[in-house]
Amino acid sequence: DSGVTQTPKHLITATGQRVTLRCSPRSGDLSVYWYQQSLDQGLQFLIQYYNGEERAKGNILERFSAQQFPDLHSELNLSSLELGDSALYFCASSDGTGPQGGPYNEQFFGPGTRLTVL
Amino acid sequence: AQKVTQAQTEISVVEKEDVTLDCVYETRDTTYYLFWYKQPPSGELVFLIRRNSFDEQNEISGRYSWNFQKSTSSFNFTITASQVVDSAVYFCALTDAYSGAGSYQLTFGKGTKLSVIP
Repeated sequence: DSGVTQTPKHLITATGQRVTLRCSPRSGDLSVYWYQQSLDQGLQFLIQYYNGEERAKGNILERFSAQQFPDLHSELNLSSLELGDSALYFCASSDGTGPQGGPYNEQFFGPGTRLTVL
Repeated sequence: AQKVTQAQTEISVVEKEDVTLDCVYETRDTTYYLFWYKQPPSGELVFLIRRNSFDEQNEISGRYSWNFQKSTSSFNFTITASQVVDSAVYFCALTDAYSGAGSYQLTFGKGTKLSVIP
């Protein structure tokens, strides 16, 4: 058990809908990363938050957005869903990195949320 | 830009055989970290090892060993005396300072699916 929790475990929805995926990082971890794993694209970095602020963006679609709340949990919002958004979405947390970077700190992955868009 | 290549898409071995999973990476940074993750059929990502670019020592952990060679930009993973429980998808990943200031998002290879046949 990595200490990172993600809810829900499974989500089935229809095209055009909007969903919210939730991630609770390990106690004390300030950084949250979101990754998408799909058959087409493999495992891809989407976005990172550090202590409530966006730190880095990867291949995240404009229809997707995320935020990190004061209690450090994070939500990934996916809207206007398409069939191709069906994927496994992972959240990972670490106790770095802040604005100045610094030594690498391990990322611990949650169990993932499997999204199916019908 | 950083890139990780796992040329072997699928490998099948008979139980107790040794198997090596290949990983070749590209990065422009001199400081970087390499990883191997295991994804069993249940779907979670299990961290196996981290290596930084300054440590080229090979590592052995039980039946697992890793061969890091900067000269060939490779970080190969060997499982000795494979077991059925080793059946999974294995991912090689990379992070470096050029991922973005203060961010260490991971770049993953496409993964190698290992099937160990009893």
